[in-house]
Amino acid sequence: GQQLNQSPQSMFIQEGEDVSMNCTSSSIFNTWLWYKQDPGEGPVLLIALYKAGELTSNGRLTAQFGITRKDSFLNISASIPSDVGIYFCAGQLVKAAGNKLTFGGGTRVLVKP
Amino acid sequence: NAGVTQTPKFQVLKTGQSMTLQCAQDMNHNSMYWYRQDPGMGLRLIYYSASEGTTDKGEVPNGYNVSRLNKREFSLRLESAAPSQTSVYFCASSVAPGQGYTGELFFGEGSRLTVL
Repeated sequence: GQQLNQSPQSMFIQEGEDVSMNCTSSSIFNTWLWYKQDPGEGPVLLIALYKAGELTSNGRLTAQFGITRKDSFLNISASIPSDVGIYFCAGQLVKAAGNKLTFGGGTRVLVKP
Repeated sequence: NAGVTQTPKFQVLKTGQSMTLQCAQDMNHNSMYWYRQDPGMGLRLIYYSASEGTTDKGEVPNGYNVSRLNKREFSLRLESAAPSQTSVYFCASSVAPGQGYTGELFFGEGSRLTVL
């Protein structure tokens, strides 16, 4: 079954706000990735993390690979309307065969009405 | 740049019918994957093909078969569709381990399947 717990499941953003989401697991991962899915499209890679403790930024996005290798978080600063979508964390288990990734359940980001 | 192309984009089936989802990539990737996406469940791996000529089961393979036709094409077949297979299906591709793999999968736009 699914091994990554992603939270929150959904959130509302207001333009200009900072938002954060995280992923936790009972298993150790050697790679953490964050993908974004826009409506009607497939997911696209945002950030990849390869070392415990690593902090990486991509524009307004910042992600960290947890020290225990069992968690990761993603922050979006100064959110804008095009940040709407579903964000997935994904990890590669230490003993994963081939390139297999495990995905979290996703965080759906919506705009406050 | 086509990337990963899936067909069909939408399909409605009756229980028991069969169908094949087609996927092709033009990035010369060795590895290809089929995932299904269900609300709150994220993406779950059905089957993958690490390289041409090989296929392996993923997390949820029951009720599906795959064929790696050549390096470019990887098809997913439902022999006898069931309502539990109603989902959005994504094909993806990547470079193989040892060839600069970074964790990046390139996804198609998805195929929305409804089984009545």
